Amino acid sequence: DQQVKQNSPSLSVQEGRISILNCDYTNSMFDYFLWYKKYPAEGPTFLISISSIKDKNEDGRFTVFLNKSAKHLSLHIVPSQPGDSAVYFCAADQGAQKLVFGQGTRLTINP
Amino acid sequence: DVKVTQSSRYLVKRTGEKVFLECVQDMDHENMFWYRQDPGLGLRLIYFSYDVKMKEKGDIPEGYSVSREKKERFSLILESASTNQTSMYLCASSVPLAGVYTQYFGPGTRLTVL
Repeated sequence: DQQVKQNSPSLSVQEGRISILNCDYTNSMFDYFLWYKKYPAEGPTFLISISSIKDKNEDGRFTVFLNKSAKHLSLHIVPSQPGDSAVYFCAADQGAQKLVFGQGTRLTINP
Repeated sequence: DVKVTQSSRYLVKRTGEKVFLECVQDMDHENMFWYRQDPGLGLRLIYFSYDVKMKEKGDIPEGYSVSREKKERFSLILESASTNQTSMYLCASSVPLAGVYTQYFGPGTRLTVL
């Protein structure tokens, strides 16, 4: 029973354009969400997070949007750069510092 | 800079062997975690620990055990390795960041069980 879902296994975007990665969750009790980025042969690195009391959080080229009524969040990267090519994981804090992760989306930025 | 290290990047073991995966963090974090990452399944929590000698089961603890004798070290043990435990294993430790715990990951150990 996947509580956090990333339904797009892969996404290909032109350099300079906007990348939008999507994530859906089922548990309305989740109150904090995180995005991690993972390069091959490396561990995931924390990218950006959002609390359920907000609907948007921005950090440079990265913005996360949260739609609580739809139980949906998205990560926007603009402009996309070749170094953004990686696997992106969405995660939800299920309490007691435990995270539940989505399946990941592989983003490829084409020059 | 947070540093989480794992003892091996690649490991090949045979079915039935006892396997130890070691993780060390150098930032005096209290909380440590073990995950496995499989294609199409994302990261799944195996075990975690809030402090020395404390452990809690995660979502998929079957077939695994853990040990935390020192604060900086968290070991994952496969008592009798099986082929379905072939996976990427990731260790993490966490620290409060703006009031919320953020997990920092090691580079991972790719384990193959033959």
